[in-house]
Amino acid sequence: DGGITQSPKYLFRKEGQNVTLSCEQNLNHDAMYWYRQDPGQGLRLIYYSQIVNDFQKGDIAEGYSVSREKKESFPLTVTSAQKNPTAFYLCASSPTGWGEQFFGPGTRLTVL
Amino acid sequence: RKEVEQDPGPFNVPEGATVAFNCTYSNSASQSFFWYRQDCRKEPKLLMSVYSSGNEDGRFTAQLNRASQYISLLIRDSKLSDSATYLCVALGGNQAGTALIFGKGTTLSVSS
Repeated sequence: DGGITQSPKYLFRKEGQNVTLSCEQNLNHDAMYWYRQDPGQGLRLIYYSQIVNDFQKGDIAEGYSVSREKKESFPLTVTSAQKNPTAFYLCASSPTGWGEQFFGPGTRLTVL
Repeated sequence: RKEVEQDPGPFNVPEGATVAFNCTYSNSASQSFFWYRQDCRKEPKLLMSVYSSGNEDGRFTAQLNRASQYISLLIRDSKLSDSATYLCVALGGNQAGTALIFGKGTTLSVSS
């Protein structure tokens, strides 16, 4: 089955620890994105990548880092510099980057 | 700041009712628009794309008015399964031009 997978579904982290969220797609999409959703808020863009080995900051990139070494994979690292990391993290992909985006099931991160 | 604004909701309607959601966008350069549906604690799923003057898909009709920068979603003959949060989305408007700008969503509750 083609699709976007994210792991883990739930993640708990202690303050001061870095954590990496996985995002994989087998749709052969060029563009991939990371969003964050807080309760009662719209999705906000963290990072995006339109092509392998290239990525750009979104609106709220501080405290996050990404890599795009393979077309299929776009992992997100939440660093200790992110002051309020507890949120629902959503990865998305798009065939070209100029149309619909399709989302993975999300990772719910809680900082203890 | 480029934004998408939606009716705050919630909308509580009986089965069989017709309900309309409204949305405005601030960036006149936005080229494409979408409605996504998001169930509680799940990822957003594409409901409809709105590319020109509007389009219809079964019980769902989306309209776009570029002059007024206004988008609407009409749901006819509401079903219990339509209960969800509906996200109005515009493509472009941020520094990248390729990421989606999300409204905060309008919650619909359909009751029997």
